[in-house]
Amino acid sequence: QKEVEQDPGPLSVPEGAIVSLNCTYSNSAFQYFMWYRQYSRKGPELLMYTYSSGNKEDGRFTAQVDKSSKYISLFIRDSQPSDSATYLCAMKKTNAGKSTFGDGTTLTVKP
Amino acid sequence: GAGVSQSPSNKVTEKGKDVELRCDPISGHTALYWYRQRLGQGLEFLIYFQGNSAPDKSGLPSDRFSAERTGESVSTLTIQRTQQEDSAVYLCASSPPAQMNTEAFFGQGTRLTVV
Repeated sequence: QKEVEQDPGPLSVPEGAIVSLNCTYSNSAFQYFMWYRQYSRKGPELLMYTYSSGNKEDGRFTAQVDKSSKYISLFIRDSQPSDSATYLCAMKKTNAGKSTFGDGTTLTVKP
Repeated sequence: GAGVSQSPSNKVTEKGKDVELRCDPISGHTALYWYRQRLGQGLEFLIYFQGNSAPDKSGLPSDRFSAERTGESVSTLTIQRTQQEDSAVYLCASSPPAQMNTEAFFGQGTRLTVV
């Protein structure tokens, strides 16, 4: 079983919808939690970065971490067609170089 | 104001040949990472450089893979005697000291195809 599991999708929503993207993990030592957006044939782009549990908001994006359940989420409000991409979760232990990534969820926002 | 630059963007090589991939990080970024991404999958950690510390090579899949970094600048990833399973996108990322716990900025990647 993988250390990080992510719903593969694909996920298709109408413009303006609220999108929920989720990852579960098994390693309780993970302390840093990241979400990346990756457009086709491009490198990942860091969207959100959270340390330990809690919520973090940046514009239309909210990241939630629940360490007790080993569950993280990314919410996108008022989704736009430009949000259509693959979203990757990633996590890391303290003082570690390596991040462990999920396999990504492909999102399509239809106009 | 350039971002992380990787070259070449695409590389087709014959099985058994050696290849060298280059990464130019953002100036001032002390951390540099190499990852591999197979089609439809997440990123697989290869190696991590942080300043003058010994690199974390724990993700290199075999002794055919090696990487070097000159100070806090350019890095090269070398794959010897390439195999078809080495076909993937190789991604480099760099991070400034204030974001040392994330892979803050990725390059566009080098798409390697071994035929």
